[in-house]
Amino acid sequence: EAGVAQSPRYKIIEKRQSVAFWCNPISGHATLYWYQQILGQGPKLLIQFQNNGVVDDSQLPKDRFSAERLKGVDSTLKIQPAKLEDSAVYLCASSARPGGDNEQFFGPGTRLTVL
Amino acid sequence: AQSVSQHNHHVILSEAASLELGCNYSYGGTVNLFWYVQYPGQHLQLLLKYFSGDPLVKGIKGFEAEFIKSKFSFNLRKPSVQWSDTAEYFCAVKRDSSASKIIFGSGTRLSIRP
Repeated sequence: EAGVAQSPRYKIIEKRQSVAFWCNPISGHATLYWYQQILGQGPKLLIQFQNNGVVDDSQLPKDRFSAERLKGVDSTLKIQPAKLEDSAVYLCASSARPGGDNEQFFGPGTRLTVL
Repeated sequence: AQSVSQHNHHVILSEAASLELGCNYSYGGTVNLFWYVQYPGQHLQLLLKYFSGDPLVKGIKGFEAEFIKSKFSFNLRKPSVQWSDTAEYFCAVKRDSSASKIIFGSGTRLSIRP
């Protein structure tokens, strides 16, 4: 079974530039999550999708971050404009259904460095 | 708000030593509890989880965790570690609701000396 795919794996940009990350979840998984993991911290949920609808985006900085999952399959997370504090690993995860009893499978992450 | 505390940031052990990593959470209601592991260069993956029933949970690779409700704790244990257990370990908690999100601790880096 193919895992969660993410690209790019690494990205270096200057502050005030924009950047986009892509995620393709495991086939058939209805729920998709984007997490931000700052160095020395655990992952923090940014946004959760159920199919193409947003379930929780309470921790997404909506003035600069946006995400979409238009066809209910792959998803894009965008930052515009980036700030120094956005330097982090951005993890995508998927699960068959929402709810904690459904294991979340994580992708390899995209490491973003903002200079 | 929920929070998860992992007090040990970096633990160094020799092979065959016993392991216990601490995890405490701050929510008084019913919770689901998890330990995730990230081996060097690999994805974050689930090690074990507790939802209900026997508070002693067995996971992969010989790991286990015990849920002690009175102490709000879910410590991870392994009787004899191997060099291959070198990884970062994250405790996580979720309120028992399908709408609730998982909150992760800050992680404990485990280094095993061969």
